[in-house]
Amino acid sequence: GAVVSQHPSRVICKSGTSVKIECRSLDFQATTMFWYRQFPKQSLMLMATSNEGSKATYEQGVEKDKFLINHASLTLSTLTVTSAHPEDSSFYICSATSPATSGPYEQYFGPGTRLTVT
Amino acid sequence: AQRVTQPEKLLSVFKGAPVELKCNYSYSGSPELFWYVQYSRQRLQLLLRHISRESIKGFTADLNKGETSFHLKKPFAQEEDSAMYYCALSATSGSRLTFGEGTQLTVNP
Repeated sequence: GAVVSQHPSRVICKSGTSVKIECRSLDFQATTMFWYRQFPKQSLMLMATSNEGSKATYEQGVEKDKFLINHASLTLSTLTVTSAHPEDSSFYICSATSPATSGPYEQYFGPGTRLTVT
Repeated sequence: AQRVTQPEKLLSVFKGAPVELKCNYSYSGSPELFWYVQYSRQRLQLLLRHISRESIKGFTADLNKGETSFHLKKPFAQEEDSAMYYCALSATSGSRLTFGEGTQLTVNP
């Protein structure tokens, strides 16, 4: 099956700094990638939808200037949390989908990145 | 607006017992419904989707448009079924997913 990786798996940063999270589709080309945020014992909340070569579409309430998303290639999307604060500490998950597979689309999920802002 | 509700945060059954994880949705059109599973320390993975009408690992789910439900069922639960289960909805194939709150299933020996 299709594999999505994320790097790093865990990151600790100081308040006020920026941190970049990478999401890669390893064996397929992902025209669309999604970024989710998951708080402890809560569900996944969609942050933004990213299409290759175009600007990301952010969900209501998500600050686009704080959560910068870049989808420069068909296998890589990045999420940069700028000027991070402790309330940004969370589990960030990406998923990717591709029209190349036959049948209905399926979202393939990455393993997630645990961000802790101190 | 689309919304998915899983009324049970926790569900505990004994091995061999039937299990049903409830999912209700609200959406004005004809959505696609999914069940995702997350085993301990593993990534989220697709369990089944309503349009496939298949049984995966003994689990089935039937879309009931009248009751706007997509409950997940298994006649005989196994210990390895213990995991977090999420019901999800998308408006069209390949579009954004809206997740329910999740149900933590524990199957006791």
